[in-house]
Amino acid sequence: AQSVTQLDSQVPVFEEAPVELRCNYSSSVSVYLFWYVQYPNQGLQLLLKYLSGSTLVKGINGFEAEFNKSQTSFHLRKPSVHISDTAEYFCAVNTNAGKSTFGDGTTLTVKP
Amino acid sequence: DAGVIQSPRHEVTEMGQEVTLRCKPISGHNSLFWYRQTMMRGLELLIYFNNNVPIDDSGMPEDRFSAKMPNASFSTLKIQPSEPRDSAVYFCASSLGRLAGEYSTDTQYFGPGTRLTVL
Repeated sequence: AQSVTQLDSQVPVFEEAPVELRCNYSSSVSVYLFWYVQYPNQGLQLLLKYLSGSTLVKGINGFEAEFNKSQTSFHLRKPSVHISDTAEYFCAVNTNAGKSTFGDGTTLTVKP
Repeated sequence: DAGVIQSPRHEVTEMGQEVTLRCKPISGHNSLFWYRQTMMRGLELLIYFNNNVPIDDSGMPEDRFSAKMPNASFSTLKIQPSEPRDSAVYFCASSLGRLAGEYSTDTQYFGPGTRLTVL
């Protein structure tokens, strides 16, 4: 069975500062990794995904993530955050056996 | 495209009543998912359909929950009877999912959710 651990439940950061949201996964089969963002009172939407190839994946809104197989991690980064990035962020793993598993989410709060 | 459509957006009901949540997936998508989100349990996958057929319902909490997909453009999640612990936000999502089991690489597109409160 696969699992996802988001290491920080809340991350407060000041505007224009860099941020890293951490995600570790475990799985006994090949995985596909996703980051989704959920703005208040909305559904989740895709930020980026890793399927294969380059381990550095770029997504929308200036976010990027790096897949590290040896450390089983898929951390999300942004060099300079904006107030509008305040949201909840979910790491998810899909295996080729079928299921999606989401982490518990990280609440990013960007302060002025 | 209108995206995934869910109705109602908010539902308040009393314990013991039947609740029906509705979902219209994105046209052309073959896979449909129902999720439940709570503070305590996070985001849970309840059931997954591919080509209108339930593929995996192992996340359905108990017999009070049932889901149907009578055609490619409509699905329902029913709770009967409802209990206060069912209070949550219920999301429907869809993806291309051309073949059962191959949805793994697909992006899931989520609806806005239905906030259910059972008193």
